[in-house]
Amino acid sequence: EVRLLESGGTLVQPGGSLRLSCAASGFAFSTYAMSWVRQAPGKGLEWVSATSGSGAKTFYADSVKGRFTISRDNSKNTLYVQMNSLRVEDTAVYYCAKDLAYGFDSWGQGTLVTVSS
Amino acid sequence: SYVLTQSPSVSVAPGQTARITCGGYNIGSKSVHWYQQRPGQAPVLVVHDNSDRPSGIPERFSGSNSGNTATLTITRVEAGDEADYYCQLWDGGSDHWVFGGGTKLTVL
Repeated sequence: EVRLLESGGTLVQPGGSLRLSCAASGFAFSTYAMSWVRQAPGKGLEWVSATSGSGAKTFYADSVKGRFTISRDNSKNTLYVQMNSLRVEDTAVYYCAKDLAYGFDSWGQGTLVTVSS
Repeated sequence: SYVLTQSPSVSVAPGQTARITCGGYNIGSKSVHWYQQRPGQAPVLVVHDNSDRPSGIPERFSGSNSGNTATLTITRVEAGDEADYYCQLWDGGSDHWVFGGGTKLTVL
């Protein structure tokens, strides 16, 4: 059974930094691309970032490019996103998802990031 | 970057057919995927590559894609189908995944 478990969400001040983690199990982690998707309170889904199975390729939404960095440790079956220069509008539930060419077939339950003073 | 447009809401009576649309320029040339998100839960992939269903998704869920509109069709709608539905595609021009704004399906 595929399991994705996000962690690291918390309250952080504007301008601050945070690293989220996503622990994966139940599949060959290193062979799959992974993505982060966020959902602001009461709003729709917004894709944030993706990385290839090896981590060599990374992609970012315009809204986070230059501030967020996606990475993975395939030896630990863990996906990360380092979030810097956080803004109030980054407040959201952050999901990690197993990223196939045909969509995201598995999602975690999400971790809440609140950016507020 | 590529924009996907969904109607904010659709209402349908139990047992009827719901059609949820997703508009985009020449979307018929792309592969569209659909997600169901029930309140308080993570999204679930219900249709991929325009019309294919993952295992475990009822046959009541189907998809089509042509011209400038992709459509998710849910037949014999049940109360449990009440959820938000999102379309998605990969925009190769920008190397971005793109989501539509979502449609709230209300079962009357």
